Order: sequence, then structure tokens, then C-alpha cells
Amino acid sequence: DVKVTQSSRYLVKRTGEKVFLECVQDMDHENMFWYRQDPGLGLRLIYFSYDVKMKEKGDIPEGYSVSREKKERFSLILESASTNQTSMYLCASSPSGTKSGELFFGEGSRLTVL
Amino acid sequence: KNEVEQSPQNLTAQEGEFITINCSYSVGISALHWLQQHPGGGIVSLFMLSSGKKKHGRLIATINIQEKHSSLHITASHPRDSAVYICKWGSQGNLIFGKGTKLSVKP
Repeated sequence: DVKVTQSSRYLVKRTGEKVFLECVQDMDHENMFWYRQDPGLGLRLIYFSYDVKMKEKGDIPEGYSVSREKKERFSLILESASTNQTSMYLCASSPSGTKSGELFFGEGSRLTVL
Repeated sequence: KNEVEQSPQNLTAQEGEFITINCSYSVGISALHWLQQHPGGGIVSLFMLSSGKKKHGRLIATINIQEKHSSLHITASHPRDSAVYICKWGSQGNLIFGKGTKLSVKP
């Protein structure tokens, strides 16, 4: 089975702190995604990556950056956390070449910024 | 704009009731997904539909491509069905998610 692992299930940070959210997948997928999920807004794409060292902005990239130095790992970085970044963050992966749009999700990281 | 409309946003049911969640989309698609998210946060894929109907246990998903509409039904609902249900369509690089339906099934 595909496994997507997010490093932290729950984090509490202070405004201005630098935050790293790590995601690792074990199925050699080319595509990896970071979403945030907020009540009433659903899932919104922050960044995605189709290959190592490659990144593309999603719908809401402001205030975030990403890093993909290895194929299995996709990191989301909040350079200076703000309270409006309190949210559930979900990482997902998928193989390339599929047109079905199927994603494999991690368990999520719930971030609270005080 | 490509959109997905889900209804209802929230749904409370008594154990044993028949549940229907609806999803409408604005453009032609080749396949639609139904996802389930339990309170712990992780999301799992329930169905991928391109036509007709699929059934898995007490869950049934239907899609009408011409009417751009899909439904997820739960028969004999149970408290363990309590979750957020999300419909999604699109292909790599352009995935559109519904806002989700939060289902609570009371014993």
C-alpha cells in the first residue's frame, strides 16, 4: 500500500517562527502536493512538484515555500508564521502518467499559530 | 470557472437512515472521485466514477455525465460513517475539490 507520512500531526508555533512541515512517500511517486484545508473553504492547493527540485505554485502560495531535494520528500516551509496560517495541512502524492487524478494523502498536520 | 458544488454542507442523521450527498460540476469531465476524511484528518479514496454506478458495502456512488451530477449514498448508516465526504474531479495539475459534506450519524 502507498504510504504518505507527515512528520507532525499537531504543531503549535508562535507568530514569526519558521515552520517546517515534512512529507515522505514510499511508492516512488513523481508528483507531490501540499494542500491546506479550512472550514467552509475545502482543500486548496499551495504548491506542487512534478519532479525533484521542481516546484509549481498552486492557488494560494503566498507566505509559503517548498523544497524537494529528494524524490520521496516534499517539505512545506512557512518562513514567518502568521495566525492566518493556522490550518490543517495535507500532503499528497501520485504517480506520473495517470490521468485519473487519484491522490494518496497523508494523515494531515494541524498547525496552530499563536 | 470550473467548479464543484456539494450539498448539503452539514448533515446529521440517526443510525440506520439512508444518506445522500450530492455533487454537481460545471464542465464535462472524464472521472469523478469521492473521498472520505475521518476526524483524525487522513483522506481515503472511496470511489472513482466515469459512468453509471459503483457499490462498496453500504456505500453506493452514481454519476450522470450528461447532467454533470454525482451522488454518494450510504445505506443503513452507522456512527462510524461520521466523516467529511468530498467529491473531486480533474486530472493531474488541475484538480477541483468540493468543499465537503460533514456527516454526523447519531446512535
